[in-house]
Amino acid sequence: GEDVEQSLFLSVREGDSSVINCTYTDSSSTYLYWYKQEPGAGLQLLTYIFSNMDMKQDQRLTVLLNKKDKHLSLRIADTQTGDSAIYFCAESMLSGNNDMRFGAGTRLTVKP
Amino acid sequence: SQTIHQWPATLVQPVGSPLSLECTVEGTSNPNLYWYRQAAGRGLQLLFYSIGIDQISSEVPQNLSASRPQDRQFILSSKKLLLSDSGFYLCAWSVSGRANVLTFGAGSRLTVL
Repeated sequence: GEDVEQSLFLSVREGDSSVINCTYTDSSSTYLYWYKQEPGAGLQLLTYIFSNMDMKQDQRLTVLLNKKDKHLSLRIADTQTGDSAIYFCAESMLSGNNDMRFGAGTRLTVKP
Repeated sequence: SQTIHQWPATLVQPVGSPLSLECTVEGTSNPNLYWYRQAAGRGLQLLFYSIGIDQISSEVPQNLSASRPQDRQFILSSKKLLLSDSGFYLCAWSVSGRANVLTFGAGSRLTVL
């Protein structure tokens, strides 16, 4: 199975909060990331969190890390239609240049 | 500022034809370079990564090859495409020591018919 797991789909109404969840298996992960991919485009880094942090907030984005449960979440407050995209969770141990592992991505659909 | 260019953006090729996708990075020196493939509904699969000129590691056995003839140029190639090579190919770069943050190109969509 995948080292990083995410639900494939999430649908919310405009103005609501979105919560995208991710679980990972490697307890030695050093950094955890959220990337956003808009249709037909590459991935854009949204935010990342170091493994010794529990939370990181950046404007409408809040990242929560539960290291004990190996659970990472991304909360988007006041979700807008422009937030519709695929969101990828990723982990890295920084043990080398090829160790970043991505989840399959969660497709967020924001309905007006 | 750093930028990454990837082309062509879209490619339709017949089975058995060759392939060349190119990626260049500007505004940084000695980047780590990566080729990923994204299949529908699946995560990103790392195909190749490179820490320097002519230093390339392959992550999965496949029909593709990569080359890095210059510090900021990374090329993905195939001599004979297979139907299973269809997908969305993403080039990315990173700098060692910066939380391994990847910066991606816009991607190249390859359809093999």
